[in-house]
Amino acid sequence: DTAVSQTPKYLVTQMGNDKSIKCEQNLGHDTMYWYKQDSKKFLKIMFSYNNKELIINETVPNRFSPKSPDKAHLNLHINSLELGDSAVYFCASSQAGVAYEQYFGPGTRLTVT
Amino acid sequence: GENVEQHPSTLSVQEGDSAVIKCTYSDSASNYFPWYKQELGKRPQLIIDIRSNVGEKKDQRIAVTLNKTAKHFSLHITETQPEDSAVYFCAASNYGQNFVFGPGTRLSVLP
Repeated sequence: DTAVSQTPKYLVTQMGNDKSIKCEQNLGHDTMYWYKQDSKKFLKIMFSYNNKELIINETVPNRFSPKSPDKAHLNLHINSLELGDSAVYFCASSQAGVAYEQYFGPGTRLTVT
Repeated sequence: GENVEQHPSTLSVQEGDSAVIKCTYSDSASNYFPWYKQELGKRPQLIIDIRSNVGEKKDQRIAVTLNKTAKHFSLHITETQPEDSAVYFCAASNYGQNFVFGPGTRLSVLP
């Protein structure tokens, strides 16, 4: 009974391609996030959505576009992939203003060749 | 915006010894401070957290302390075991909406 799930787990693609990562949570949380974890293990927030509305948009190239069709889903679409986009991308969710705890998905390892 | 620093970046201890990891934050509006453990190839997992209205919290071998005045919080692991070896991240959040993470501490517990 997975709380936060992501697909795919691994993604290998060539420079210039467009790809998407999907995230779903069944915790009933109202806030979802995308994080990027680079090779040095830094966890950097990219986007945050609360009730399907974008509330945090860090300095991320506009090739990255999040989409939240409903409170339980937050997808990440990446255009014109570059070598530097290679990283592990984690989705997470929390219930802002109430429980606070944030739970992570299993991650998507993106490799751009 | 919030900035979280974490020390040390690496820590090696003998099995059975204690380990302490320290974090500082900059934004006095932050009121929630979780700690995550990340094993190799796995997701970060919440291990303990503390809110700004509490000074200390304990859960078996792990404890967290918070000094709001100094904007410090620390993770304490007692009686360390090899399975405690992992990367540990602290984070600061305001009402569970925006999480800023520290750079991580790689803990190695030597048998």
